[in-house]
Amino acid sequence: GEDVEQSLFLSVREGDSSVINCTYTDSSSTYLYWYKQEPGAGLQLLTYIFSNMDMKQDQRLTVLLNKKDKHLSLRIADTQTGDSAIYFCAESIGDDKIIFGKGTRLHILP
Amino acid sequence: ETGVTQSPTHLIKTRGQQVTLRCSSQSGHNTVSWYQQALGQGPQFIFQYYREEENGRGNFPPRFSGLQFPNYSSELNVNALELDDSALYLCATRDLMDEQFFGPGTRLTVL
Repeated sequence: GEDVEQSLFLSVREGDSSVINCTYTDSSSTYLYWYKQEPGAGLQLLTYIFSNMDMKQDQRLTVLLNKKDKHLSLRIADTQTGDSAIYFCAESIGDDKIIFGKGTRLHILP
Repeated sequence: ETGVTQSPTHLIKTRGQQVTLRCSSQSGHNTVSWYQQALGQGPQFIFQYYREEENGRGNFPPRFSGLQFPNYSSELNVNALELDDSALYLCATRDLMDEQFFGPGTRLTVL
């Protein structure tokens, strides 16, 4: 079946690194995504990775993909208060739909 | 700013009523998808339209239907509303480079 799992909550101190983990089930996914959603807002695409890559870095964001274990992670370096949001892991299925996890709420401690 | 707009922002309906939600995107965005995001959940794929025809559907009943128009706008129609239809409805469009852009959503409350 199609399923994306991620932990629901993460608390991190300001300035530390945040690591959000995700597992997925469909090995045929072409793209894997990380989206950010702030309260009352729509989804913002943070980054994505092709399934034939194992790492992608974009400024403070690092995505690691372990295709064998179907494990995806998002590392946010030097976490700031503005990073407080819900982060969704998602995988593409075929040419149409994207399957989302339930989201990880990132809370920043002062 | 994604260039994708949705209207209305908020909407309140009662059980059994019908609702139409709207989405507008930029020129060249030929594919539009609609998602339902219930409170505390991730978005769930409803369906996708490409060049005015449905070309993919998730596990939603036929009372969820859609239209896509040549001017890059689209509609999501829901008939016979149920309490569980209360959610944030998101549309997402794809450009020619296959990059997906989400709108801000319409929050529907069914009483």
